[in-house]
Amino acid sequence: RKEVEQDPGPFNVPEGATVAFNCTYSNSASQSFFWYRQDCRKEPKLLMSVYSSGNEDGRFTAQLNRASQYISLLIRDSKLSDSATYLCVVNMGDQTGANNLFFGTGTRLTVIP
Amino acid sequence: DGGITQSPKYLFRKEGQNVTLSCEQNLNHDAMYWYRQDPGQGLRLIYYSQIVNDFQKGDIAEGYSVSREKKESFPLTVTSAQKNPTAFYLCASSALYNAREETQYFGPGTRLLVL
Repeated sequence: RKEVEQDPGPFNVPEGATVAFNCTYSNSASQSFFWYRQDCRKEPKLLMSVYSSGNEDGRFTAQLNRASQYISLLIRDSKLSDSATYLCVVNMGDQTGANNLFFGTGTRLTVIP
Repeated sequence: DGGITQSPKYLFRKEGQNVTLSCEQNLNHDAMYWYRQDPGQGLRLIYYSQIVNDFQKGDIAEGYSVSREKKESFPLTVTSAQKNPTAFYLCASSALYNAREETQYFGPGTRLLVL
């Protein structure tokens, strides 16, 4: 079983639609969660961090369900500029040390005019 | 401006040649990482370093080497032993002030092509 799993998509949605991505993780002791956005041929960029039950930033909402070990990303009122690949990232680390992050393979979103 | 820089943006390698990818950060981060990304695939960890003069192998270290002589710099050498080096190489760094909440910040990447 992979540590972090995402539906690869692609998700093709019309402008203005609401779309949600789910991500499941294997380590129930994980404390922090992140969504990154990666545009084609560019580096991943941090979109949102989630440390408790959820986080909201404008049209973007991330929710955490610890009991079921999944996090979701909801995008409301989709814009053409939201087209990208969204990476789910989970910190499964202990108190010290690096290399605690586990990356999903990404969900590709295309917003259609 | 704080950030992570990678150079060059594009790099061409001839058969049997070693090439070195540069990664520099001025964020005062302790840890640095190298990932490889192939088309349509996720990130795979090559090497990482938590402190100067120390580094650890990741999942796909064979055919690669690194050094960490300075906190700011973590160059990656792709050796001739790496038989399929064509990929997008991403360098990242993280602060490690609270390992359970740390996340990583990425440089713009180097695209390596084999001639």
